[in-house]
Amino acid sequence: AQSVAQPEDQVNVAEGNPLTVKCTYSVSGNPYLFWYVQYPNRGLQFLLKYITGDNLVKGSYGFEAEFNKSQTSFHLKKPSALVSDSALYFCAVRVGTDKLIFGTGTRLQVFP
Amino acid sequence: ETGVTQSPTHLIKTRGQQVTLRCSSQSGHNTVSWYQQALGQGPQFIFQYYREEENGRGNFPPRFSGLQFPNYSSELNVNALELDDSALYLCASSFGQTSYEQYFGPGTRLTVT
Repeated sequence: AQSVAQPEDQVNVAEGNPLTVKCTYSVSGNPYLFWYVQYPNRGLQFLLKYITGDNLVKGSYGFEAEFNKSQTSFHLKKPSALVSDSALYFCAVRVGTDKLIFGTGTRLQVFP
Repeated sequence: ETGVTQSPTHLIKTRGQQVTLRCSSQSGHNTVSWYQQALGQGPQFIFQYYREEENGRGNFPPRFSGLQFPNYSSELNVNALELDDSALYLCASSFGQTSYEQYFGPGTRLTVT
């Protein structure tokens, strides 16, 4: 079965420190991977995607993600966290031509 | 903010009732996908419509049905509501059958009592 796992329910980081939100995947074939962010009472906002090419993908708001095929991972990173980055982050993989399969989400808390 | 809008914002229904949720896609987009996000969970794919035809369906019973209109707006209908249907319902629009990016609306919070 194709799936995405986010092993951490919550990640805490101090403002200004680097952050990593972990994601691993299990798919057949080439994975199409995505990160979305959800703020309270809001829909999902697209951050970045990996389709093919460079393993380091740059996205919105200074976020980037590293695709690692051998470890089947797609971790989200940011060099310097902001308090405003505090939100719920979802990793997703596209299956077939139509649907996204999401992880259970990781809550990022950035402390001043 | 994306150009995807959903209505209503919140809705309270009683078990056994029927509900219709609406979504207007972003300008230029012809594909709409619906997701259910239960509390504390990631979104689950319900189905997708491409140019007014159902293009794929997730593991949801037939009482979840949908429509897409010529202007590419969409409706999600749920019959015989159950308590477990309480969730945030998200609509996402994209262009084409194989678009890599889906743009989500703010969602409709459905509470079934």
